[in-house]
Amino acid sequence: DTGVSQNPRHKITKRGQNVTFRCDPISEHNRLYWYRQTLGQGPEFLTYFQNEAQLEKSRLLSDRFSAERPKGSFSTLEIQRTEQGDSAMYLCATPPGTANTEAFFGQGTRLTVV
Amino acid sequence: GQQVMQIPQYQHVQEGEDFTTYCNSSTTLSNIQWYKQRPGGHPVFLIQLVKSGEVKKQKRLTFQFGEAKKNSSLHITATQTTDVGTYFCAVNNAGNMLTFGGGTRLMVKP
Repeated sequence: DTGVSQNPRHKITKRGQNVTFRCDPISEHNRLYWYRQTLGQGPEFLTYFQNEAQLEKSRLLSDRFSAERPKGSFSTLEIQRTEQGDSAMYLCATPPGTANTEAFFGQGTRLTVV
Repeated sequence: GQQVMQIPQYQHVQEGEDFTTYCNSSTTLSNIQWYKQRPGGHPVFLIQLVKSGEVKKQKRLTFQFGEAKKNSSLHITATQTTDVGTYFCAVNNAGNMLTFGGGTRLMVKP
């Protein structure tokens, strides 16, 4: 149990469609992160929330990507007009405590764009 | 932010042999974290090293942080099939964002 639930676990979509993923931390965490992992690579940082405020966005997060954390609890990541290059595992992570820096990852959403 | 490189990219070992993966940086690192990702799974936090020359052990796993804080290693003694997976090092940058190395994929032949 990582303390982070993500859904869906798998998503297959056609190129050009919009997709939305959800991340639910099981307990209250003020910090929440999104990472993307392509096959054979390490996770890459996408964006970071402190409560409901989005404090940092990677260059990887193009205009087609948007993330929200409306009440400082769950978070959503939307990709508009998906492209084949968006195919990846999208991981949500929280630290185990306020002072911790390590990341507890959810099981991820594997996106395949066909 | 700080960047890290990992070697080797892949390692095949016979069960019972030892395994080591290395993580290197051109700059001094504030800390280093290690994660394990099983095939089809998500990264799982193993340990964090902060001090120069630090050595930590978890059963058959030994983690080291270099004296200059520019490199780190993970050594597994007497590998088992349960050790299969990809081992990542990661550095914690400002805002607690993690930058991961490319990982070392360990395969263990029974």
